[in-house]
Amino acid sequence: DAGVTQSPTHLIKTRGQQVTLRCSPKSGHDTVSWYQQALGQGPQFIFQYYEEEERQRGNFPDRFSGHQFPNYSSELNVNALLLGDSALYLCASSPDSGGGNEQFFGPGTRLTVL
Amino acid sequence: QKEVEQNSGPLSVPEGAIASLNCTYSDRGSQSFFWYRQYSGKSPELIMFIYSNGDKEDGRFTAQLNKASQYVSLLIRDSQPSDSATYLCAVNSENNAGNMLTFGGGTRLMVKP
Repeated sequence: DAGVTQSPTHLIKTRGQQVTLRCSPKSGHDTVSWYQQALGQGPQFIFQYYEEEERQRGNFPDRFSGHQFPNYSSELNVNALLLGDSALYLCASSPDSGGGNEQFFGPGTRLTVL
Repeated sequence: QKEVEQNSGPLSVPEGAIASLNCTYSDRGSQSFFWYRQYSGKSPELIMFIYSNGDKEDGRFTAQLNKASQYVSLLIRDSQPSDSATYLCAVNSENNAGNMLTFGGGTRLMVKP
């Protein structure tokens, strides 16, 4: 049973560039959430996708956008990269929430902005 | 502002001892509580979840929840050096729109041989 997968593993970009990160959820899961984890901090919720729509969003600017495809995989796009966007980006999948369903994380994408 | 607070540590315990990790949360509407383990350079791994007041045991791990005190803890019995990691407490702030997780900053645990 494949778990959550993410690509790429590492990415180096320069300020002002745009980046796309990809995620495939665990088999049987249809909800995908994205989190940003800065060094030494806990993950922060960016947004959640279900049925190809953004269902909930955290306190992140519009530079952060996403998409979910019919096969439940998802992309996270970040435009106009800032140095402060350097972080580990985590994708988590879960069954559709009916109350407290567990979220399972992928290995993450380490983004470095120079 | 919904908050989850953890002592950053490091919490140092000898091998074989009980490690006690604590977490408090601000949102009284929180319904589900999770403990994740994160090794350095890796992603968080779910190790325990608890939804009801009281204790929940799974092997060497026990999660404890007290909703009246807005407090959740994780006990690790017979601690092993391989348990050395950062432990993240997460709270499910479920509403009609979704089930985002709010994380604490994590507690770094060091188990010394």
